[in-house]
This record gives sequence, C-alpha cells and structure tokens, in this order.
Amino acid sequence: QVQLQQWGAGLLKPSETLSLNCGVYDGSSSNYYWSWIRQPPGKGLEWIGEITHSGSTNYNPSLRSRVTISVDTSKNHFSLKLTSVTAADTAVYYCARGLTSAWELQGYWGQGTLVTVSS
Amino acid sequence: DIVMTQSPDSLAVSLGERAAINCKSSQSVFYSSNNVNYLAWYQQKPGQPPKLLIYWASTRESGVPDRFSGSGSGTDFTLTINSLQAEDVAVYYCQQYYSTPRTFGQGTKVGIK
Repeated sequence: QVQLQQWGAGLLKPSETLSLNCGVYDGSSSNYYWSWIRQPPGKGLEWIGEITHSGSTNYNPSLRSRVTISVDTSKNHFSLKLTSVTAADTAVYYCARGLTSAWELQGYWGQGTLVTVSS
Repeated sequence: DIVMTQSPDSLAVSLGERAAINCKSSQSVFYSSNNVNYLAWYQQKPGQPPKLLIYWASTRESGVPDRFSGSGSGTDFTLTINSLQAEDVAVYYCQQYYSTPRTFGQGTKVGIK
C-alpha cells in the first residue's frame, strides 16, 4: 500500500516562505508524477503544480512566480516551496503521487498539512 | 485554463436512492489519439484527503464499490451513485487531467434526505 507522509511548518507570517515535504513509503519514487494541491478552509481544491517522471515541472499560472516543486528520488521525497505568503495562502496542502508510473493522475494522497498565515 | 463546473452544488438523497452529479468542462477533455476522456472523480469526507473513485471518465479505481459509475464524453460527464449508502455522504469533485493547470470542479456535497 502506497503511503505518503507530509511534514513542514504549519504557521507562517506574511512574506515568509512556505516549505513542505512529502515522503513516499512503498519503496519506489522514480518515474512518477508528484503533485501538490491545496484547499482553503471550507473551500474547494486548487492544483498547485507537479513534477513529472522526467523531472520537468508544471505550475498553476496563478502561483507560478512563487512556487518551486522538486524531488529527491534518492531519499523518496519531494518538496514544495511557496514564497511571499499572504493570508490568502492559508489552506490545507496535500501532496499526491501518480496512480501508476509516468501518469499525471493523482492516485495517492498525503494526509494534508494545515498551513496558516497570520501576523 | 479549462474551467470545470459541477451541478448541483449540493443534493440530498434518501438512503437506497440514486444520486447524480454533473460536471461540464469549458473545452473537450477527449483525446482522440487514444480515445479516452481525461476526467476523474474524487470523493472527500470531512478531515480526509480526496480519494480517487473514477478515471478515464468511467473506469472505477480498484476497491471502489460498483454502485459508483461514471459516464459522459467530451465536455459533459456524470457521476452516479446507485443505492446511496450512509458512508457515501461526502463532497465529490471532478477533475480534468487533459492539460495543465489540472483543474477541479467546485465540488458537490451529497447528503442524506
């Protein structure tokens, strides 16, 4: 069973950088799409971006200037950085992995991390 | 961006009855080269991450009860829950994975009447 475990700071001040990590515990991490999705409290899902099985990245244009997604296959984990956060970035952030190798469909999800931006 | 619009926003159905959720995309998510629709459905229960139910518009993920079914093609899709059970109370989202950004519908909340 694929398990994704998330960790990172849950409380930030405006203008700080959000940094989250996601580890995969099924013994494999290569050749997969890795995605980040967020959900503001009481609202719907917003796709943040992904890093593909070949290492290229795709970002939501609304966040592109502030987002970086990277993967460390040797350590079976991938990361999200979002700079210059504001209260509008308060959300539960989910990591997700492709259902099968080389497939963008988010088949497995982490448990979510609530990130609150407040002064 | 492809805009995904779900209807209704919420619905209440009696136990054992059928629930149907519609999803419309602003442009086709059908890829003619492999003859599939890049459309998925997720179920989200309170305090939990979304769970993949259906992909390619009509293929059930492993372990998903067969009372869940997906249909449609091009720009119009439907998720049907036959014989609603208490454990099906949740918010359901459609998502296109045809292109980036991979957009979601706004969600449909399903409850018990």
